[in-house]
Amino acid sequence: GAGVSQSPSNKVTEKGKDVELRCDPISGHTALYWYRQSLGQGLEFLIYFQGNSAPDKSGLPSDRFSAERTGGSVSTLTIQRTQQEDSAVYLCASSLGWNREQYFGPGTRLTVT
Amino acid sequence: DQQVKQNSPSLSVQEGRISILNCDYTNSMFDYFLWYKKYPAEGPTFLISISSIKDKNEDGRFTVFLNKSAKHLSLHIVPSQPGDSAVYFCAARERDTGNQFYFGTGTSLTVIP
Repeated sequence: GAGVSQSPSNKVTEKGKDVELRCDPISGHTALYWYRQSLGQGLEFLIYFQGNSAPDKSGLPSDRFSAERTGGSVSTLTIQRTQQEDSAVYLCASSLGWNREQYFGPGTRLTVT
Repeated sequence: DQQVKQNSPSLSVQEGRISILNCDYTNSMFDYFLWYKKYPAEGPTFLISISSIKDKNEDGRFTVFLNKSAKHLSLHIVPSQPGDSAVYFCAARERDTGNQFYFGTGTSLTVIP
């Protein structure tokens, strides 16, 4: 079946502009995660959605970052007023539940110039 | 503060030999550990997991060992194959929060034919 998909695969934006990154999780997966990986770093947790529960936003680095998940499926990560330090690969993952392994998308490489 | 550490950024092994990838963690509340494999331009792929109630889990050529007293995790690949060449990440989840997975910075494995 189809895996997790993300769009765009690459995004170059100017400092100060807003960007939206999209994630389509595996159908039926109730849990959805966003991570980012900066150069030479491990994956950094950003936000977690589980069903209709309030999301766990504890990993969002600043209030410029927000995410939503519509209808328990597609998720959008929005970064407002992008900064150069936001440059990273943003990865989305979904799973059948919090206690299950995550399936990752290919990521969106964001470059802020 | 890096709670999951992979101190070897790279490892080279001859085809057919054993590959041993190591991971250390600092949080004694971690109760679930996973290994992921990542090829370039792709998202991480789940490989194998282990719960803290076990000290070993085996799946084909892959075995994960957990030493809770040492807060140490290792992945053994036997025999190593050229297709195993990838970046390997270990990850851990804290028992009480459950939502956030903490990832190491990865070890790049090269299996030499």
